[in-house]
Formats: sequence, structure tokens, C-alpha cells
Amino acid sequence: QLLLQESGPRLVKPSETLSLTCTVSGDSLTNSDFFWGWLRQPPGKGLEWIGGIYYSRTTFYNPSLKSRITISLDTSKNQFSLKVNSVTAADTALYYCARHIGDSGWPRFSDYWGQGILVTVSS
Amino acid sequence: DFVMTQSPDSLAVSLGERATISCKSSQSVLYSPNNKNYLAWYQQKPGQPPKLLISWASIRESGVPDRFSGSGSGTDFTLTISDLQAEDVAVYHCQQCLNNPFTFGQGTKVEIK
Repeated sequence: QLLLQESGPRLVKPSETLSLTCTVSGDSLTNSDFFWGWLRQPPGKGLEWIGGIYYSRTTFYNPSLKSRITISLDTSKNQFSLKVNSVTAADTALYYCARHIGDSGWPRFSDYWGQGILVTVSS
Repeated sequence: DFVMTQSPDSLAVSLGERATISCKSSQSVLYSPNNKNYLAWYQQKPGQPPKLLISWASIRESGVPDRFSGSGSGTDFTLTISDLQAEDVAVYHCQQCLNNPFTFGQGTKVEIK
């Protein structure tokens, strides 16, 4: 059974860096059939796709966040990570990691999700 | 960005009746070279992550009851829940996955009347 679990600090100060890790069990991040990525949902708002990564370490970023985010892979631990720099209150959200079904070299639909982790940006 | 607009924002349907949700994209999500619509539907129950119900506009994921069906092409899509059950109470989201950023609709809340 595929499981994804987000972990990281739940409170981050403005202007600092948000760092989250997703630990995957039941599948390998080196599986070339899938991509891995992050999405978020601000309280009471809709979902936003943040970005994804392939086993080759090719990354795909939402253009509106591209200047502030980094997604990376640690295949030895079967984990992938998200860093968001220079956070503001607008980055307060429930962050999800997810497996993506790929098509034409891009991550597409998210077929397995973690439970999510609420990260609050506040001083 | 592709703007996805769902309607209605919420609806209340009697048990056993049909619920219909619309999703309209500001631009076509049909990719002509492969004739695929890059459109997904997700179900999100309270306190849970979204669950992929339908991909490619009309392909049900494994294990999804056949009372859930997706239709449409180009810019106009519909999720239909026939024979609504109590466990279908949730927020339903559409998402386009053709153009980066992959954008979602605002969500439609389905309740029991």
C-alpha cells in the first residue's frame, strides 16, 4: 500500500524558509512511471499546485512560485522535499505531498496524497 | 493561467437523487495531437486529502463507484453523481493538467437535502 507522510515545522517566521519532507512507503521514488510533487490549500480556500519532480531530478514549478521554491529528491531515504524561501502570511496553508501520474514528460494528475501538514507563517 | 470555474458553489441533493457539477475552463484543455482532455475530478471529505475520482475527463479511477461519471470536452465539463449516497458528502474539485500552472476550480460542496 502506498503511503505518503509530510513532516516539518508547523510554524515559520515571516521572511524565513519553509522546509517540508515527504516520506514515501510502498513505492520507490526511482519508479520511472510516476512523478512526485507538492500542492497546498490555504485555510478556507482552493487548491494550488506547487510543483513536481521526476526520478531523474528534473523539476517542474508553478511559475508564480518558481523564484522561491526548490523541490529535491533523496532516493536513499525515499523522501522528497520542498523549500519555500522568503515566506509571508500568504504561504500559510495545508501542504500536501502527492504522487503524480505522468504524461508526455510532465506530472499530471495526483493519484495518491499525504494527509497534509498545516504550516502557519507568523512571528 | 487557465481559470477553472465551477458551478454551483454548493448544492443539496436528496439521497438517491442526482447531483451535477459543472466545470468550465477559460481555455480548452483538449490537446489535439492525442485527443485527450487534461481534466481531473477530485473528492475531498472533511479533514481528508483530495481523492482522485476521474482523470482524462471521463476515466474513473480503480475502486471509484460507477455512480460517479465525468463528461465533456474542450472547455466544458460535468461531474455527475447518480443515486447520491450519504458518503458522497464532500467538496468536489476539478483541475486542468494541460498548462502549467495546473489550476483548480474553487470547489463545489455537496450536501444531503
